[in-house]
Amino acid sequence: DSGVTQTPKHLITATGQRVTLRCSPRSGDLSVYWYQQSLDQGLQFLIQYYNGEERAKGNILERFSAQQFPDLHSELNLSSLELGDSALYFCASSATSGGPGGEGEQFFGPGTRLTVL
Amino acid sequence: KNEVEQSPQNLTAQEGEFITINCSYSVGISALHWLQQHPGGGIVSLFMLSSGKKKHGRLIATINIQEKHSSLHITASHPRDSAVYICAARYNNNDMRFGAGTRLTVKP
Repeated sequence: DSGVTQTPKHLITATGQRVTLRCSPRSGDLSVYWYQQSLDQGLQFLIQYYNGEERAKGNILERFSAQQFPDLHSELNLSSLELGDSALYFCASSATSGGPGGEGEQFFGPGTRLTVL
Repeated sequence: KNEVEQSPQNLTAQEGEFITINCSYSVGISALHWLQQHPGGGIVSLFMLSSGKKKHGRLIATINIQEKHSSLHITASHPRDSAVYICAARYNNNDMRFGAGTRLTVKP
Protein backbone atom coordinates (compact mmCIF):
# COMPACT_ATOMS: atom_id res chain seq x y z
CA ASP A 1 0.00 0.00 0.00
CA SER A 2 1.58 3.26 -1.21
CA GLY A 3 -0.54 5.49 1.02
CA VAL A 4 -2.04 7.24 -2.03
CA THR A 5 -5.78 6.76 -2.46
CA GLN A 6 -7.87 7.26 -5.56
CA THR A 7 -11.62 7.20 -6.00
CA PRO A 8 -13.56 5.83 -7.67
CA LYS A 9 -11.85 2.59 -8.66
CA HIS A 10 -14.00 2.15 -11.75
CA LEU A 11 -16.13 4.61 -13.66
CA ILE A 12 -18.38 3.91 -16.62
CA THR A 13 -19.98 6.81 -18.41
CA ALA A 14 -21.20 7.97 -21.80
CA THR A 15 -19.67 10.21 -24.44
CA GLY A 16 -20.22 13.88 -23.81
CA GLN A 17 -20.41 13.49 -20.04
CA ARG A 18 -18.19 15.01 -17.34
CA VAL A 19 -16.51 13.11 -14.51
CA THR A 20 -14.30 13.95 -11.54
CA LEU A 21 -11.50 11.73 -10.31
CA ARG A 22 -10.17 12.21 -6.82
CA CYS A 23 -6.72 11.63 -5.35
CA SER A 24 -5.48 11.87 -1.77
CA PRO A 25 -1.67 11.99 -1.48
CA ARG A 26 0.46 10.30 1.14
CA SER A 27 0.50 12.14 4.43
CA GLY A 28 3.01 14.99 4.21
CA ASP A 29 3.47 14.87 0.43
CA LEU A 30 2.99 18.24 -1.26
CA SER A 31 3.15 17.21 -4.92
CA VAL A 32 0.41 15.42 -6.83
CA TYR A 33 0.92 14.14 -10.38
CA TRP A 34 -1.76 12.91 -12.77
CA TYR A 35 -1.08 10.34 -15.48
CA GLN A 36 -3.14 8.67 -18.19
CA GLN A 37 -2.43 5.13 -19.37
CA SER A 38 -4.17 3.94 -22.51
CA LEU A 39 -3.53 0.82 -24.56
CA ASP A 40 -2.39 2.70 -27.64
CA GLN A 41 -0.38 5.54 -26.06
CA GLY A 42 1.06 4.03 -22.90
CA LEU A 43 1.68 6.23 -19.88
CA GLN A 44 1.43 9.97 -20.37
CA PHE A 45 2.06 12.77 -17.92
CA LEU A 46 -0.89 15.13 -17.63
CA ILE A 47 -0.19 17.68 -14.91
CA GLN A 48 1.55 18.26 -11.58
CA TYR A 49 0.50 20.38 -8.61
CA TYR A 50 2.76 21.37 -5.76
CA ASN A 51 1.30 22.79 -2.56
CA GLY A 52 -1.80 24.03 -4.35
CA GLU A 53 -0.08 25.57 -7.37
CA GLU A 54 0.31 24.17 -10.87
CA ARG A 55 3.96 23.12 -11.23
CA ALA A 56 4.21 21.36 -14.59
CA LYS A 57 1.98 20.59 -17.51
CA GLY A 58 2.21 17.68 -19.91
CA ASN A 59 -0.15 16.34 -22.55
CA ILE A 60 -3.31 17.48 -20.86
CA LEU A 61 -6.21 18.23 -23.18
CA GLU A 62 -8.15 21.50 -22.89
CA ARG A 63 -11.24 19.44 -21.97
CA PHE A 64 -9.37 18.26 -18.86
CA SER A 65 -8.59 20.34 -15.80
CA ALA A 66 -7.23 19.71 -12.35
CA GLN A 67 -6.77 21.43 -9.05
CA GLN A 68 -5.19 20.81 -5.67
CA PHE A 69 -7.09 21.87 -2.60
CA PRO A 70 -5.76 23.35 0.70
CA ASP A 71 -5.89 19.89 2.31
CA LEU A 72 -3.64 18.75 -0.60
CA HIS A 73 -6.09 16.33 -2.17
CA SER A 74 -6.47 16.76 -5.91
CA GLU A 75 -9.23 16.36 -8.44
CA LEU A 76 -8.99 15.73 -12.16
CA ASN A 77 -12.01 16.87 -14.13
CA LEU A 78 -12.66 15.36 -17.54
CA SER A 79 -15.41 16.90 -19.66
CA SER A 80 -17.01 16.33 -23.07
CA LEU A 81 -15.78 12.78 -22.82
CA GLU A 82 -14.87 10.87 -25.95
CA LEU A 83 -14.37 7.15 -26.54
CA GLY A 84 -10.63 7.74 -26.71
CA ASP A 85 -10.57 9.02 -23.14
CA SER A 86 -11.13 5.49 -21.88
CA ALA A 87 -8.00 4.70 -19.91
CA LEU A 88 -6.47 4.10 -16.51
CA TYR A 89 -5.85 7.35 -14.68
CA PHE A 90 -3.15 7.28 -12.02
CA CYS A 91 -2.18 9.87 -9.53
CA ALA A 92 1.12 9.85 -7.70
CA SER A 93 2.45 11.92 -4.85
CA SER A 94 5.89 13.08 -3.85
CA ALA A 95 7.34 15.02 -0.95
CA THR A 96 9.28 17.39 -3.22
CA SER A 97 8.47 19.97 -5.88
CA GLY A 98 10.09 18.00 -8.68
CA GLY A 99 12.35 19.16 -11.48
CA PRO A 100 16.05 20.13 -11.37
CA GLY A 101 17.38 19.71 -7.85
CA GLY A 102 13.95 18.88 -6.46
CA GLU A 103 12.98 15.55 -7.93
CA GLY A 104 11.84 12.89 -5.49
CA GLU A 105 10.45 9.38 -5.52
CA GLN A 106 6.82 9.18 -6.58
CA PHE A 107 4.25 6.95 -4.90
CA PHE A 108 1.43 5.79 -7.13
CA GLY A 109 -2.21 5.29 -6.32
CA PRO A 110 -4.12 2.20 -7.51
CA GLY A 111 -5.68 4.08 -10.43
CA THR A 112 -9.17 4.82 -11.69
CA ARG A 113 -10.33 2.84 -14.69
CA LEU A 114 -12.52 5.06 -16.87
CA THR A 115 -14.69 3.51 -19.56
CA VAL A 116 -16.50 5.82 -21.95
CA LEU A 117 -19.29 4.14 -23.91
CA LYS B 1 12.04 16.66 -28.64
CA ASN B 2 11.60 14.80 -25.36
CA GLU B 3 11.64 11.13 -26.31
CA VAL B 4 12.33 8.00 -24.29
CA GLU B 5 13.32 4.75 -25.97
CA GLN B 6 13.24 1.48 -24.08
CA SER B 7 14.48 -1.98 -25.08
CA PRO B 8 13.74 -4.77 -25.34
CA GLN B 9 9.98 -4.62 -25.70
CA ASN B 10 9.58 -8.20 -24.47
CA LEU B 11 11.96 -10.39 -22.53
CA THR B 12 11.66 -14.00 -21.44
CA ALA B 13 14.21 -15.43 -19.04
CA GLN B 14 14.79 -18.57 -17.03
CA GLU B 15 14.79 -18.30 -13.27
CA GLY B 16 18.22 -17.31 -12.01
CA GLU B 17 19.29 -15.42 -15.14
CA PHE B 18 20.78 -11.92 -15.09
CA ILE B 19 18.49 -9.42 -16.82
CA THR B 20 19.19 -6.01 -18.33
CA ILE B 21 16.64 -3.49 -19.57
CA ASN B 22 17.84 -0.38 -21.37
CA CYS B 23 16.49 3.13 -21.60
CA SER B 24 17.75 6.09 -23.61
CA TYR B 25 16.53 9.66 -23.67
CA SER B 26 17.04 12.57 -25.98
CA VAL B 27 17.96 15.74 -24.11
CA GLY B 28 18.90 16.94 -20.64
CA ILE B 29 16.99 15.49 -17.75
CA SER B 30 16.77 16.22 -14.05
CA ALA B 31 15.97 12.60 -13.10
CA LEU B 32 15.24 9.14 -14.46
CA HIS B 33 12.64 6.89 -12.85
CA TRP B 34 12.29 3.14 -13.09
CA LEU B 35 8.82 1.80 -12.42
CA GLN B 36 7.36 -1.68 -12.12
CA GLN B 37 3.79 -2.40 -13.18
CA HIS B 38 2.25 -5.63 -12.00
CA PRO B 39 -0.28 -7.66 -14.02
CA GLY B 40 -3.05 -6.22 -11.83
CA GLY B 41 -2.09 -2.73 -13.01
CA GLY B 42 -0.52 -1.28 -9.88
CA ILE B 43 2.63 0.81 -10.34
CA VAL B 44 5.55 0.79 -7.93
CA SER B 45 8.52 3.12 -8.07
CA LEU B 46 11.78 1.15 -8.06
CA PHE B 47 14.39 3.87 -8.43
CA MET B 48 14.78 7.58 -8.98
CA LEU B 49 18.28 8.59 -10.02
CA SER B 50 20.05 11.57 -11.51
CA SER B 51 23.59 10.20 -11.55
CA GLY B 52 25.64 7.09 -10.85
CA LYS B 53 24.17 3.87 -9.58
CA LYS B 54 21.62 2.65 -7.02
CA LYS B 55 21.03 -0.81 -5.62
CA HIS B 56 18.06 -2.28 -3.84
CA GLY B 57 18.18 -5.99 -3.12
CA ARG B 58 18.58 -7.81 -6.43
CA LEU B 59 17.85 -4.68 -8.47
CA ILE B 60 20.50 -2.28 -9.73
CA ALA B 61 19.93 0.91 -11.73
CA THR B 62 22.64 2.89 -13.46
CA ILE B 63 22.64 6.09 -15.45
CA ASN B 64 25.24 7.59 -17.80
CA ILE B 65 24.45 11.27 -18.21
CA GLN B 66 26.94 11.84 -21.06
CA GLU B 67 25.51 8.98 -23.11
CA LYS B 68 21.88 9.76 -22.09
CA HIS B 69 21.36 6.12 -21.15
CA SER B 70 20.13 4.17 -18.15
CA SER B 71 19.97 0.46 -17.41
CA LEU B 72 17.98 -1.63 -14.95
CA HIS B 73 19.56 -4.92 -13.95
CA ILE B 74 17.94 -7.80 -12.11
CA THR B 75 20.27 -10.39 -10.64
CA ALA B 76 19.16 -13.99 -9.90
CA SER B 77 15.78 -13.38 -11.53
CA HIS B 78 12.70 -15.02 -10.04
CA PRO B 79 9.20 -15.66 -11.44
CA ARG B 80 7.82 -13.01 -9.08
CA ASP B 81 9.91 -10.44 -11.02
CA SER B 82 7.54 -10.98 -13.97
CA ALA B 83 6.02 -7.58 -14.66
CA VAL B 84 6.25 -4.61 -17.02
CA TYR B 85 9.22 -2.33 -16.32
CA ILE B 86 8.93 1.29 -17.41
CA CYS B 87 11.50 4.05 -17.47
CA ALA B 88 10.44 7.67 -17.25
CA ALA B 89 12.54 10.77 -17.84
CA ARG B 90 11.87 14.02 -16.04
CA TYR B 91 13.16 16.71 -18.37
CA ASN B 92 14.63 20.03 -17.31
CA ASN B 93 11.50 21.82 -18.58
CA ASN B 94 9.55 19.69 -16.02
CA ASP B 95 7.90 17.58 -18.70
CA MET B 96 7.89 13.84 -18.03
CA ARG B 97 8.03 11.18 -20.75
CA PHE B 98 7.70 7.44 -20.49
CA GLY B 99 9.21 4.54 -22.35
CA ALA B 100 6.83 2.01 -23.88
CA GLY B 101 7.74 -0.56 -21.24
CA THR B 102 9.49 -3.94 -21.19
CA ARG B 103 7.33 -6.97 -20.50
CA LEU B 104 9.46 -9.41 -18.51
CA THR B 105 8.48 -13.04 -18.02
CA VAL B 106 10.66 -15.20 -15.80
CA LYS B 107 10.02 -18.92 -16.13
CA PRO B 108 10.69 -21.36 -13.28
